[in-house]
Amino acid sequence: EDKVVQSPLSLVVHEGDTVTLNCSYEVTNFRSLLWYKQEKKAPTFLFMLTSSGIEKKSGRLSSILDKKELSSILNITATQTGDSAIYLCAVTNAGKSTFGDGTTLTVKP
Amino acid sequence: EAGVAQSPRYKIIEKRQSVAFWCNPISGHATLYWYQQILGQGPKLLIQFQNNGVVDDSQLPKDRFSAERLKGVDSTLKIQPAKLEDSAVYLCASSSLNRARGGYTFGSGTRLTVV
Repeated sequence: EDKVVQSPLSLVVHEGDTVTLNCSYEVTNFRSLLWYKQEKKAPTFLFMLTSSGIEKKSGRLSSILDKKELSSILNITATQTGDSAIYLCAVTNAGKSTFGDGTTLTVKP
Repeated sequence: EAGVAQSPRYKIIEKRQSVAFWCNPISGHATLYWYQQILGQGPKLLIQFQNNGVVDDSQLPKDRFSAERLKGVDSTLKIQPAKLEDSAVYLCASSSLNRARGGYTFGSGTRLTVV
């Protein structure tokens, strides 16, 4: 059975801090790893990673995949209160995604 | 591009009652997913459709849950009879066959409370 584990479960930081969220996985026929941000209800897509060692970047967010270690990290620099959310990691296997339980990030002013 | 539409937004029912959720995916998206997200957990796939055919329903509790996607467009998920443990957010998502941009587009979900 495919498995995705995220750590830490929750994190509280102050504005301006840098955070690193972790995702590790066990999946047969790995296709891609995806990061989502979930505020209130609907997860919104952040990144899709398929190749090891190539960093994807969007503003203050960046992510990298390590296929050898079966893991990925999501970095957020200069955090803002608007970054407070649940960050979900998912891995896809032939079109089917398995999600982790997420990391709840709280950014205090 | 219009997003994934879901209704209702909220529903409160008593156990043993039935309930139905509706989803209209992004126009042209062939693949539609229903996920169940229990508080504190990640979304769990219930069923995946490609056009109007079922691709994966291995985690759908078929004794009480059913789903259909007539004409390969919108979809309905039904629970009958509901149990307390069905309280969750039910998320619908869609994607195109060519997912080069990656990721699904999720609807805003339906929060179900079974009392």
